[in-house]
Amino acid sequence: NAGVTQTPKFQVLKTGQSMTLQCAQDMNHEYMSWYRQDPGMGLRLIHYSVGAGITDQGEVPNGYNVSRSTTEDFPLRLLSAAPSQTSVYFCASSYGGRDTQYFGPGTRLTVL
Amino acid sequence: GESVGLHLPTLSVQEGDNSIINCAYSNSASDYFIWYKQESGKGPQFIIDIRSNMDKRQGQRVTVLLNKTVKHLSLQIAATQPGDSAVYFCAEHLAGNNRKLIWGLGTSLGVNP
Repeated sequence: NAGVTQTPKFQVLKTGQSMTLQCAQDMNHEYMSWYRQDPGMGLRLIHYSVGAGITDQGEVPNGYNVSRSTTEDFPLRLLSAAPSQTSVYFCASSYGGRDTQYFGPGTRLTVL
Repeated sequence: GESVGLHLPTLSVQEGDNSIINCAYSNSASDYFIWYKQESGKGPQFIIDIRSNMDKRQGQRVTVLLNKTVKHLSLQIAATQPGDSAVYFCAEHLAGNNRKLIWGLGTSLGVNP
């Protein structure tokens, strides 16, 4: 099993550009989520999904969109990048919301 | 060595000593707690968990203690090794809420050889 994979590992964007962070898991997990991690602020939940076709907002959803067309994939879209979105982004998956979450290696995003 | 989480986010110990990482959680309705380890450049990795109906749970070289009276959680690492150097996060689940995990800010553990 590859576990949770994320691409790209690093990305630099200019303000206003859009992009999609990819996340895939091969563990047949129903629950997937996106976090951002900023220094001194821990992990903050952006969006999550409890299964294919179902998504919901976390605590910091503004500026991000998600979709879940398959169990395996959960892409995160930045519609119009802003410097405040400079962060490290982690995707995680688990069997259920209260089960152990498995994290991907992260995407380091810089918005200039 | 011992930390107090938010007030002392950095803990430095000698190799072979025991480490204690503390976490003050926020909600008395939380019923499930998890410790994660995050090494530099990697995503968080599950270490151990404990449910609110327990006071103590042991794993391999790690022990988690839960004191619900004062809403305090601790992670004890026995015979700390250089490979234990990482940031440690506690996280809590609110009872009845299967979707939200509340994360602490983390404590950085450094191990001196």
